[in-house]
Amino acid sequence: EIVLTQSPGTLSLSPGERATLSCRASQTISSSYLAWYQQKPGQAPRLLIYGASSRATGIPDRFSGSGSGTDFTLTISRLEPEDFAVYYCQHFGSSLWTFGQGTKVEIK
Amino acid sequence: EVHLVESGGGLVQPGGSLRLSCAASGFTLSSYAMNWVRQAPGKGLEWVSAISGSGVITYYADSVKGRFTISRDNSKNTLYLQMNSLRAEDTAVYYCAKDRVFSRYWGQGTPVAVSS
Repeated sequence: EIVLTQSPGTLSLSPGERATLSCRASQTISSSYLAWYQQKPGQAPRLLIYGASSRATGIPDRFSGSGSGTDFTLTISRLEPEDFAVYYCQHFGSSLWTFGQGTKVEIK
Repeated sequence: EVHLVESGGGLVQPGGSLRLSCAASGFTLSSYAMNWVRQAPGKGLEWVSAISGSGVITYYADSVKGRFTISRDNSKNTLYLQMNSLRAEDTAVYYCAKDRVFSRYWGQGTPVAVSS
């Protein structure tokens, strides 16, 4: 079973700064099956990135995804106030979903 | 427009049962795999179960295998999760989510609390 480890657990940044979030898989995975979500308190997750690097419909271009093999990255180029939230990576494999434990991006 | 609306959550005693529903609109349910994902209070997302479009193939997380049953009624455009032998650790908000690999569409969630 694939384990996804996200780092850091919490990222304290100011609006306008760049955020770099990491998602490491316990073994090589297909980029096609790696997605990123944003979740705000009391809300359902929102799909940001699928296929490791494709932005979902309506997602601003300050969000970008990259990576392959075991190491994947979500980058927010310039943080807007509405970007402070928890971010999860997700993998589809063997017909089941696996989530990372999440990275909280908080206002410094 | 795609909409998913969960219902059926509530407070139940340990060992009890609940059936969650997810009413789908804006698309033909039978054409898509569906998932249940839960989130315990203050915790991360945990995948629970998935079902194929036809309903023939089902998948479960080890934590719920043998206790939960996923099903669907495509004629009613509704997804279900029958939860039996509930435990305190099943306390969570339960979301339904559309599609097999990743999901653009999630419901708003229905809370389940297992407590005496």
